[in-house]
Amino acid sequence: AQSVTQPDIHITVSEGASLELRCNYSYGATPYLFWYVQSPGQGLQLLLKYFSGDTLVQGIKGFEAEFKRSQSSFNLRKPSVHWSDAAEYFCAVGMFSGGYNKLIFGAGTRLAVHP
Amino acid sequence: DGGITQSPKYLFRKEGQNVTLSCEQNLNHDAMYWYRQDPGQGLRLIYYSQIVNDFQKGDIAEGYSVSREKKESFPLTVTSAQKNPTAFYLCASSISSGGASDTQYFGPGTRLTVL
Repeated sequence: AQSVTQPDIHITVSEGASLELRCNYSYGATPYLFWYVQSPGQGLQLLLKYFSGDTLVQGIKGFEAEFKRSQSSFNLRKPSVHWSDAAEYFCAVGMFSGGYNKLIFGAGTRLAVHP
Repeated sequence: DGGITQSPKYLFRKEGQNVTLSCEQNLNHDAMYWYRQDPGQGLRLIYYSQIVNDFQKGDIAEGYSVSREKKESFPLTVTSAQKNPTAFYLCASSISSGGASDTQYFGPGTRLTVL
């Protein structure tokens, strides 16, 4: 069955440290890949997306993600985390499943940032 | 300012009551979606609509109903048949008619609590 896995439920990093959030998916065809961020009690904001072409994509707020087909992964990275990056991050995959096109979301990774 | 609005932000309901959540968008998007978010889980699709006067069930439609009489509006009714309605509800829209590559834009959400 198609699925999206974010192995880390909760991550804590120090401000200024680098960050990598993991995302793995299970899908037979080429997926469309998204990363969203959610601040507490708010909606989701799109950080970046990958459809085709260069496997390293740049997003807003200094984030980037790399698509690795061989590993079925789409990990999100940031070289230096700011306190304002504390939020929940969702990986999502656009695919045809159950008879219609849909976004399937991972369970999310909650990021805490220490000063 | 273009965007998606949801109202109310917080909603309390007694058991056995139906309640309707509002979602309005002024982005001129064709497709609209309703998701449910529970702690520790990703978003799950309730209903979606690719065009006015048409909508389809998502993965967890039982106990919910929708209408799409206008392009900009997609209200969700949580009925008394929904056994566990307490959750955070998110509305989204996308520019075209629900392709797997469509970027979805989210509203700020409504938190529903059943007393």
